Amino acid sequence: AQSVTQLGSHVSVSEGALVLLRCNYSSSVPPYLFWYVQYPNQGLQLLLKYTTGATLVKGINGFEAEFKKSETSFHLTKPSAHMSDAAEYFCAVTGGNNRLAFGKGNQVVVIP
Amino acid sequence: DTGVSQDPRHKITKRGQNVTFRCDPISEHNRLYWYRQTLGQGPEFLTYFQNEAQLEKSRLLSDRFSAERPKGSFSTLEIQRTEQGDSAMYLCASSLRDRVKGYTFGSGTRLTVV
Repeated sequence: AQSVTQLGSHVSVSEGALVLLRCNYSSSVPPYLFWYVQYPNQGLQLLLKYTTGATLVKGINGFEAEFKKSETSFHLTKPSAHMSDAAEYFCAVTGGNNRLAFGKGNQVVVIP
Repeated sequence: DTGVSQDPRHKITKRGQNVTFRCDPISEHNRLYWYRQTLGQGPEFLTYFQNEAQLEKSRLLSDRFSAERPKGSFSTLEIQRTEQGDSAMYLCASSLRDRVKGYTFGSGTRLTVV
């Protein structure tokens, strides 16, 4: 079975500052990893994904994440936070089965 | 590609009533998933279909829950005798069999049981 750990349910960041959201995963097989963003009362929008190949993946809205197998991590970053980045962010993993396992999410608050 | 559609967006029901939700996946996607998300939590897997076959069900899916995907197109999720603990966002997602391209989620159905 796969699992994801996201620490710190609420993350506050100043506008223009670095956004860093941490994700550690557990998987018995090579994982596929995803970051999703969710705005209030909306579904999940895919930010980026890692399946195979290059370990640094770039996504939409200036976000990127790096797959580090040795650290079982897939942290999400954005160099400069914008007010529109305020949302909830979920890391998810899938392995040999067909289900996505999600972390508990990070609620990002951007301070002007 | 019109995305994944879910209907209704919101549903308020009295405890004990039955409710049914509908999901229309991306037309070329043969896999369809249902997830449940409660406040402050990440989505939890309920069940998934490949074409019309329901291939996996979570232990979260009690006997009061049933899902169908007739003809491998749209899917319905029915909850019988609703309980207050069923209040949640129900999310539908679809994907190709090759998961490399990822999963596309709908906007969800928010269920409130009063």
